[in-house]
Amino acid sequence: AQRVTQPEKLLSVFKGAPVELKCNYSYSGSPELFWYVQYSRQRLQLLLRHISRESIKVFTTDLNKGETSFHLKKPFAQEEDSAMYYCALSGRGSTLGRLYFGRGTQLTVWP
Amino acid sequence: DAGVIQSPRHEVTEMGQEVTLRCKPISGHNSLFWYRQTMMRGLELLIYFNNNVPIDDSGMPEDRFSAKMPNASFSTLKIQPSEPRDSAVYFCASSPGGRGIGYSPLHFGNGTRLTVT
Repeated sequence: AQRVTQPEKLLSVFKGAPVELKCNYSYSGSPELFWYVQYSRQRLQLLLRHISRESIKVFTTDLNKGETSFHLKKPFAQEEDSAMYYCALSGRGSTLGRLYFGRGTQLTVWP
Repeated sequence: DAGVIQSPRHEVTEMGQEVTLRCKPISGHNSLFWYRQTMMRGLELLIYFNNNVPIDDSGMPEDRFSAKMPNASFSTLKIQPSEPRDSAVYFCASSPGGRGIGYSPLHFGNGTRLTVT
């Protein structure tokens, strides 16, 4: 069965500090992984997808298939990074668009 | 494209009343999803449709909840009767889906913040 676990419900860091949002997953096949972000009272939006190997707003992802983890990292946090972050998983080859979400991590970056 | 459009943005109602949430997906998207977001449980998938057909409604909490998608451009989520524990933000999302697309991400609406007193 598929499962996405975000062990930290809340995470606080100071501006300029490195930040890592953890995500662990379980899936019988080879999944596609995503990070979504929700700024205060806004809609969820796609931040990063593993397949693209891109970096958005200096965020990067670290996929470790051995540990089945897909952590989100940023070397220097900014106040505007404060938001709710969701890790999500899709079955490779899925054509319906269904994503399995973790429970989310609320990141607060203090000035 | 205006994106996924949800209405109303806010809904305050009394316990026992019927509540109807509406969603207009992005034109051309074949899959539509209804999610509920709470502090305690995070983001829960309630139901999703593909080509207007319900595929999985196992996340619908109770018979008080029902969802319809009469055509490709409109869906409703109804709660009857509503209860205070239904208070949450309800998101609608759509996805292009389809064969060969595979990893298309979801596009979310702004959500409806429901408060049941």
